[in-house]
Amino acid sequence: EPEVTQTPSHQVTQMGQEVILRCVPISNHLYFYWYRQILGQKVEFLVSFYNNEISEKSEIFDDQFSVERPDGSNFTLKIRSTKLEDSAMYFCASILGQGATVNTEAFFGQGTRLTVV
Amino acid sequence: AQSVSQHNHHVILSEAASLELGCNYSYGGTVNLFWYVQYPGQHLQLLLKYFSGDPLVKGIKGFEAEFIKSKFSFNLRKPSVQWSDTAEYFCAVNQRGQNFVFGPGTRLSVLP
Repeated sequence: EPEVTQTPSHQVTQMGQEVILRCVPISNHLYFYWYRQILGQKVEFLVSFYNNEISEKSEIFDDQFSVERPDGSNFTLKIRSTKLEDSAMYFCASILGQGATVNTEAFFGQGTRLTVV
Repeated sequence: AQSVSQHNHHVILSEAASLELGCNYSYGGTVNLFWYVQYPGQHLQLLLKYFSGDPLVKGIKGFEAEFIKSKFSFNLRKPSVQWSDTAEYFCAVNQRGQNFVFGPGTRLSVLP
């Protein structure tokens, strides 16, 4: 069964450092997402990406965050200068397509646990 | 603002008890509805989904959910839970062309 893969599974970084979280979505999917889940809290939407550009972003996704699909395969989330409150589980998801007749189930990766110290 | 609410934060049941987890959403128009499960230390997995048609949908592991449009609800049910059902359950909604909005989650603890 195809799956979304994320690396690394756990990253520890010092406050102020840049981190890049990597995701390989399912190959024929067109829509890509990043979500995060702070420990004990709900899953929060960060950003969606389609056709090589951001289609929607939340208030959380400020100037410290950026996304990229550099090579048609990977989908990365960069945090430029990490803060303690960025510590969370970050989930990547991909969807085949949107619309009433297209399967809009989101497939999630295993997540990257980011710990900022 | 669009939102998804789940009635219970933490549910504790004994094995073989019946389960119902509530989910309500505040959207107008056509929505797609999902229940995801997150077992301890694992990623989100799809339990079941509703796009259209029969409002009673069956998912994996004996779970089912009923979409009641007039109540904006999509409650998850299972007639007899097992210890292995211990997990966090998330209701999620999306509208065509928009991102998923997740509910806050319900933690289910099943006692052996």
